[in-house]
Amino acid sequence: DAKTTQPNSMESNEEEPVHLPCNHSTISGTDYIHWYRQLPSQGPEYVIHGLTSNVNNRMASLAIAEDRKSSTLILHRATLRDAAVYYCILRNTTSGTYKYIFGTGTRLKVLA
Amino acid sequence: NAGVTQTPKFQVLKTGQSMTLQCAQDMNHNSMYWYRQDPGMGLRLIYYSASEGTTDKGEVPNGYNVSRLNKREFSLRLESAAPSQTSVYFCASSLSSRGYRNTEAFFGQGTRLTVV
Repeated sequence: DAKTTQPNSMESNEEEPVHLPCNHSTISGTDYIHWYRQLPSQGPEYVIHGLTSNVNNRMASLAIAEDRKSSTLILHRATLRDAAVYYCILRNTTSGTYKYIFGTGTRLKVLA
Repeated sequence: NAGVTQTPKFQVLKTGQSMTLQCAQDMNHNSMYWYRQDPGMGLRLIYYSASEGTTDKGEVPNGYNVSRLNKREFSLRLESAAPSQTSVYFCASSLSSRGYRNTEAFFGQGTRLTVV
């Protein structure tokens, strides 16, 4: 399984945009990039995923580099409720295993 | 709208005891997963079931067994609990099928297990 690298922690001010980076230099052409977040004392929850093109949904945007070796999760206006650990995951589905392999994630602290 | 339900929520075991963690999903999902999360760490995959009738080892399967009882239920068994298995256990499910390969996973609220 291809690996991802994320910073251990980041801080942001409330109401400001947050850019959470993820490096995945060994990504294969069939790996999808998924982002999940884990709020304190809860199970992870889905945020967004994409393959090649940038993606937007109500929670966030996902910007994928042209060579796909890195991606950035963008929270447009951070709130205190966005304080969580954010995980970037590569998911290959061609083998039929459909696994999600988590890394260590980025702990986001939002300052009031 | 239950989603993924795990039981129990909390459990204390003595070393050597056995127990089964239960997981059920009501979303007609094909794939189910068991993870453990140690304090301050990310999630590690223990076992998964890509579809009903199949199970496969994940990253840390030693000391665990699983049963995909039917499409809804996926249980995790500790035959002889050890203090190193103290952790929070999460079950997850996803639709994941040939027609829907890249769907999101839904997670339960976790089972906090302490082995003394």
